[in-house]
Amino acid sequence: DTAVSQTPKYLVTQMGNDKSIKCEQNLGHDTMYWYKQDSKKFLKIMFSYNNKELIINETVPNRFSPKSPDKAHLNLHINSLELGDSAVYFCASRQAEGEQFFGPGTRLTVL
Amino acid sequence: AQSVTQPDIHITVSEGASLELRCNYSYGATPYLFWYVQSPGQGLQLLLKYFSGDTLVQGIKGFEAEFKRSQSSFNLRKPSVHWSDAAEYFCAVAPGGDDKIIFGKGTRLHILP
Repeated sequence: DTAVSQTPKYLVTQMGNDKSIKCEQNLGHDTMYWYKQDSKKFLKIMFSYNNKELIINETVPNRFSPKSPDKAHLNLHINSLELGDSAVYFCASRQAEGEQFFGPGTRLTVL
Repeated sequence: AQSVTQPDIHITVSEGASLELRCNYSYGATPYLFWYVQSPGQGLQLLLKYFSGDTLVQGIKGFEAEFKRSQSSFNLRKPSVHWSDAAEYFCAVAPGGDDKIIFGKGTRLHILP
């Protein structure tokens, strides 16, 4: 059973398009996250939701909008994609003060 | 502000040799500490964690880490590396029960045959 899953695994699109990445966790965790990993492997937190409520919103362009329909899902919608958005996006979940569980990542390439 | 430093961007060791990856953190109290591994094209997998208690923590795949409060360090060790250990290693800290986990910039481990 996959604990944290993301779709799609790969996403190739043109500049200016709008795209979404979906994330689901079946661990019963209350908190979910989105991270961006750039080409230098640096992991930067973007958002965190706890029980569908936005907890952390780092300095991310407002073209990025997370949506949490329920505590098992946290989707990421990106408007007007730019070249600099190309990266691997990781979803993660966490319960209370435990460790984070990561999804397999979505590699986004903007042409 | 809290921060995590992994001073080595790349480390190369021979297969069978011992390994130590360094991690230092900046935080007033003792945070929760983690080591994750990322194999090429994969997500992050937890190797081990420290919350409290014994400062020498055992993890998966033969890894261990030692928390040293006086040095604000949480170095990862393995007595004998295998070619399959080649990967990116991330140290991370969570200040107390804070939802935010801060990652270091990672250390890429290369294994020589």
